[in-house]
Amino acid sequence: QVQLQESGPGLVKPSQTLSLTCTVSGGSISSGGYYWSWIRQHPGKGLEWIGYIYYSGSTYYNPSLKSRVTISVDTSKNQFSLKLSSVTAADTAVYYCARDPKGGRFDYWGQGTLVTVSS
Amino acid sequence: QSALTQPRSVSGSPGQSVTISCTGTSSDVGGYNYVSWYQQHPGKAPKLMIYDVSKRPSGVPDRFSGSKSGNTASLTISGLQAEDEADYYCCSYAGSRVFGGGTKLTVL
Repeated sequence: QVQLQESGPGLVKPSQTLSLTCTVSGGSISSGGYYWSWIRQHPGKGLEWIGYIYYSGSTYYNPSLKSRVTISVDTSKNQFSLKLSSVTAADTAVYYCARDPKGGRFDYWGQGTLVTVSS
Repeated sequence: QSALTQPRSVSGSPGQSVTISCTGTSSDVGGYNYVSWYQQHPGKAPKLMIYDVSKRPSGVPDRFSGSKSGNTASLTISGLQAEDEADYYCCSYAGSRVFGGGTKLTVL
């Protein structure tokens, strides 16, 4: 059974960089066949896809966030990470990592982690 | 990319059927047979209910079904049960991925 777990600071100051890591267990990122995505949900709002990475390191970002987003992968640790720069209060959200077996569906999700942007 | 359009809320009585629509464009919903649906209970992560327009993952009851016509996809829940009360989101492949705004299902 594949499991994903987000980790990282729950509080980030405005203008700083939000950094989160997703640890995958029960399956290997480097086996290929899947994209690994970050998705966020603003409080009381809908879901927003942030971007994905493939085990090779190729990425695809949401155009609306592209200028501030970096997703990277560490296959040796079976982890992938999100960096979102120049954050504001509008980036306060629950951040999820998820597995994407291509075709744009998300079959396994992490439990989500709330990141609050505040001074 | 704009969010897909879903009704804000739908409701139905136990045993009834409800349908949730998801409208996009020819660049997303209408252009690919890659529409998925997610159920989200409060405080929980979303759960995949339908993928590739009409396929059900293992373990999802056959009361849940999906379809698509043109630029609009639909999720139908038949034989409504109390535990179906949740938020539902559609998602379409569009090169990138784009979600709908979500629909709150109330079981009366």
